[in-house]
Amino acid sequence: DIQMTQSPASLSASLEEIVTITCQASQDIGNWLAWYQQKPGKSPQLLIYGATSLADGVPSRFSGSRSGTQYSLKISRLQVEDIGIYYCLQAYSARTFGSGTKLEIK
Amino acid sequence: QIQLVQSGPELKKPGESVKISCKASGYTFTDYAMHWVKQAPGKGLKWMGWINTYTGKPTYADDFKGRFVFSLEASASTANLQISNLKNEDTATYFCARDYVYYGFDVMDAWGQGASVTVSS
Repeated sequence: DIQMTQSPASLSASLEEIVTITCQASQDIGNWLAWYQQKPGKSPQLLIYGATSLADGVPSRFSGSRSGTQYSLKISRLQVEDIGIYYCLQAYSARTFGSGTKLEIK
Repeated sequence: QIQLVQSGPELKKPGESVKISCKASGYTFTDYAMHWVKQAPGKGLKWMGWINTYTGKPTYADDFKGRFVFSLEASASTANLQISNLKNEDTATYFCARDYVYYGFDVMDAWGQGASVTVSS
């Protein structure tokens, strides 16, 4: 089974700051990686697909990148509405979510 | 617009069974597979498996083999999750999510609102 190791578990940052969340895959998953945002009491929403592509309607301050088996989600200028929990999801073999990163405003 | 509407909250006792429904609208139900995802209170998302809505064939993640059954009522555009012999650790919110090939990549692009199951004696 493919494991996804996500870090950090929690993150506190100031408005307009750059934020980066990472997921490390236990094996090669190519670009079969998506990122989701979950706000309190809500369902997850797709942000990034194919490791680097922005989903429709997602603000351009969100971006995804890949280096080997490490994947990153970057928020270039943190906004209040970005608070929530972020998850990576691999879809190369079955599905595995990362453990989540709780993002708060400092 | 695409909508997945799940059934309401359930309160069950250990050993009982529960059936959660997920009614789809706004698209052809049998064209897209359906995933099920568990979220225990204060915990992360856990993939339970998926069902091919065209053939009805289910695939279960290892931790969800045995007491969990995915089924369909295709004529009603509805996917169901049944959990038997409920345990306290089944207390969670269960999400259905549509599988969609987004520019060549599989994603879960539409989600139900979640169905809460509480197991308590």
